[in-house]
Amino acid sequence: EPEVTQTPSHQVTQMGQEVILRCVPISNHLYFYWYRQILGQKVEFLVSFYNNEISEKSEIFDDQFSVERPDGSNFTLKIRSTKLEDSAMYFCASEQGRNTEAFFGQGTRLTVV
Amino acid sequence: AQSVAQPEDQVNVAEGNPLTVKCTYSVSGNPYLFWYVQYPNRGLQFLLKYITGDNLVKGSYGFEAEFNKSQTSFHLKKPSALVSDSALYFCAVRDIGGGYQKVTFGTGTKLQVIP
Repeated sequence: EPEVTQTPSHQVTQMGQEVILRCVPISNHLYFYWYRQILGQKVEFLVSFYNNEISEKSEIFDDQFSVERPDGSNFTLKIRSTKLEDSAMYFCASEQGRNTEAFFGQGTRLTVV
Repeated sequence: AQSVAQPEDQVNVAEGNPLTVKCTYSVSGNPYLFWYVQYPNRGLQFLLKYITGDNLVKGSYGFEAEFNKSQTSFHLKKPSALVSDSALYFCAVRDIGGGYQKVTFGTGTKLQVIP
């Protein structure tokens, strides 16, 4: 069964450093997302990406964050100058179309120290 | 704006008994509704969805949910709970009328099935 894969599973970084979280969505999907979850709590929307551009973003997704789909398969989330409060589980998701459900990856646990 | 409320942080049920996990939503247009389950240290796994049609939706692992437009609810149900159903359950909504593609999640309900 096709699945969304994320790497790394766990990333530890020092405050102020840049991190790149990687995702490989399901191959025939058109919509891509990043969500985050802090300490097993609420899942928060960060950004959606369609047709090679951001279609929606939340208030959380400020200039510190950026997304890219550099080669038609990978979908990356870059966090510049990480802060302690960026520590969370980051989930990538993809969808085939507008009336479908999102499939989520296993997540990347980001720990900022 | 779209929002979801899961009024119970935790639901405890004895194995073999029916279970209900509650969810209410708020949207400006028509809702697409979803339930996801999360096991410890894992991603979100899709259970079922309501897009249109029959108000009773059947999903994976024997779960079902009933869409009630007048009460703006989409409660998750299962006739007979298993210990393996113990997990964190998230209700989610997409407001098609609002033109959104993003899905908004509730705060999650921890289901504990007691042997």
